Amino acid sequence: GAGVSQSPSNKVTEKGKDVELRCDPISGHTALYWYRQSLGQGLEFLIYFQGNSAPDKSGLPSDRFSAERTGGSVSTLTIQRTQQEDSAVYLCASSLFFMQGILSVGELFFGEGSRLTVL
Amino acid sequence: TQLLEQSPQFLSIQEGENLTVYCNSSSVFSSLQWYRQEPGEGPVLLVTVVTGGEVKKLKRLTFQFGDARKDSSLHITAAQTGDTGLYLCAGADSNYQLIWGAGTKLIIKP
Repeated sequence: GAGVSQSPSNKVTEKGKDVELRCDPISGHTALYWYRQSLGQGLEFLIYFQGNSAPDKSGLPSDRFSAERTGGSVSTLTIQRTQQEDSAVYLCASSLFFMQGILSVGELFFGEGSRLTVL
Repeated sequence: TQLLEQSPQFLSIQEGENLTVYCNSSSVFSSLQWYRQEPGEGPVLLVTVVTGGEVKKLKRLTFQFGDARKDSSLHITAAQTGDTGLYLCAGADSNYQLIWGAGTKLIIKP
């Protein structure tokens, strides 16, 4: 597709279960971001992938959270032993990150998000 | 830690009125982006400002980047119901990572 695709769009799970959220970025975009958003709030940074560089994991809230990006394309965010406070919308975004004399942050293209509810 | 503060947090006005929302920081940003997010969707980029003092206009929306590149404003003229949404600003720090504000929730009443 032309845009960022996320799945599932909605996930309801029981406390203690593991969940996997998938992000399919725009083809050719080298940067990929995961954010978490609670209802009506701003974006909480989780993790950032840029090309073949080591990911920036500084936003992951605990060791229950992990993410990988395979082949520089699809990314999976995994939450182990889910807790009720993990309930939120998880947004994925991709962008071109290119040099034009200086490094620049390009436009982020967001998916529609995966709404996670932990009962 | 760099912070971006957005104000007001919430604004509800009548269609046809003008409004301004703000994005402020004590830190300098290399660039600043404004996004709008509608319910059930991801944020969509409205504008990127790069130069201190820069003003960009998109139809009824006017964006300004402060001279010192620490703050920005978004002014909407003659607001319409379609302007309703969550407005987010994001500044690029010295490592070109994005710092996000908490957003201004805007409701335009018919």
